[in-house]
Amino acid sequence: GQNIDQPTEMTATEGAIVQINCTYQTSGFNGLFWYQQHAGEAPTFLSYNVLDGLEEKGRFSSFLSRSKGYSYLLLKELQMKDSASYLCAAFNNNDMRFGAGTRLTVKP
Amino acid sequence: DTEVTQTPKHLVMGMTNKKSLKCEQHMGHRAMYWYKQKAKKPPELMFVYSYEKLSINESVPSRFSPECPNSSLLNLHLHALQPEDSALYLCASSQNPGTANTGELFFGEGSRLTVL
Repeated sequence: GQNIDQPTEMTATEGAIVQINCTYQTSGFNGLFWYQQHAGEAPTFLSYNVLDGLEEKGRFSSFLSRSKGYSYLLLKELQMKDSASYLCAAFNNNDMRFGAGTRLTVKP
Repeated sequence: DTEVTQTPKHLVMGMTNKKSLKCEQHMGHRAMYWYKQKAKKPPELMFVYSYEKLSINESVPSRFSPECPNSSLLNLHLHALQPEDSALYLCASSQNPGTANTGELFFGEGSRLTVL
């Protein structure tokens, strides 16, 4: 079975840093993905981790610990346009399962 | 071309209608997906096709019937749907299945379905 947990909502201030956590339990695992989804739009790929450690892509970084079943997405220098849902997803052999998503609101 | 194109963008149908959703990609991807997404909920996996063969069917009711006529096209045939089936239906594709597949999904804009 698959179980992916992440906080439902978070609020942060423009210019700040926010960390969105994700824990997962899956029967198979090839990678952990983060997607961003604005209201009314399709999800867009942000980052993925296969091996333990930190992957950095500009203002976004993602971390994975396979032994702990844990990942986080770090967003730096928050901008208003970062207000969106952030979906954690576990991938295994063409099977991509999403967590419930974290709705991030960035305030001025 | 890095797009996944879905048609129609909006569809309203009655419970006795038969309609189809279409999805097309020309990135050479050989894994294609249908997801269903209700408002303020994450996408739920429905079907996965790998090399034009159905590899995952998440116990979806038979009123949803997927079809993959070739490596670029994916259809979802709809028949006798219920109002609770109203949702955004997202198509996605990813690189060739197997070890080369990074898993990154490319999503279409979705087809918003309303069942009356």
